Amino acid sequence: QVQLQESGPGLVKPSQTLSLTCTVSGGSISSGDYYWSWIRQPPGKGLEWIGYIYYSGSTYYNPSLKSRVTISVDTSKNQFSLKLSSVTAADTAVYYCARDNGIWGQGTLVTVSS
Amino acid sequence: DIQMTQSPSTLSASVGDRVTITCRASQSISSWLAWYQQKPGKAPKLLIYKASSLESGVPSRFSGSGSGTEFTLTISSLQPDDFATYYCQQYNSYLITFGQGTRLEIK
Repeated sequence: QVQLQESGPGLVKPSQTLSLTCTVSGGSISSGDYYWSWIRQPPGKGLEWIGYIYYSGSTYYNPSLKSRVTISVDTSKNQFSLKLSSVTAADTAVYYCARDNGIWGQGTLVTVSS
Repeated sequence: DIQMTQSPSTLSASVGDRVTITCRASQSISSWLAWYQQKPGKAPKLLIYKASSLESGVPSRFSGSGSGTEFTLTISSLQPDDFATYYCQQYNSYLITFGQGTRLEIK
């Protein structure tokens, strides 16, 4: 059974780059016709799609974040990653990774603060 | 971008009630719509995909319908475990968007 687990710093300083990794277990990240997503949820607010990387390597990003986001895959480690640059307090959120619609990680809280 | 609008934002209901949540898309998304349930501190859980397909393991009291721009999630008989926040999500476009959520609370 495929499971996803987010990891990375829980505290990031303003203007720095937020970096998170999602480790996939129970299946290969390079097999199948899947897209691997990042979604976030500010405290007390709704879900915001950040972007995804398709199994082919194509990436698609939320236009509102596109200039600051990079999603990449490391097939050798069975992981995919999120980098969000120039963060501000507005980027404080629980960050989730997901495969297609149905499989989500548990989420990790990232706080942007000095 | 395709905008998704859910209504109502908050819904008060009792155990045993039949409830319906609506999601409208700003343009046609065919049937590329999913519904999620989220409880506090937890990741969203997929309930319905492709507008009306029930995810494996989800109770049959949940159902989805609609196509084009208007969709509904119905819970036929509310159970105590169903009080949560519900989100719709369109994936017709390669740019995915969520509705703002509907909080289902106990009356």
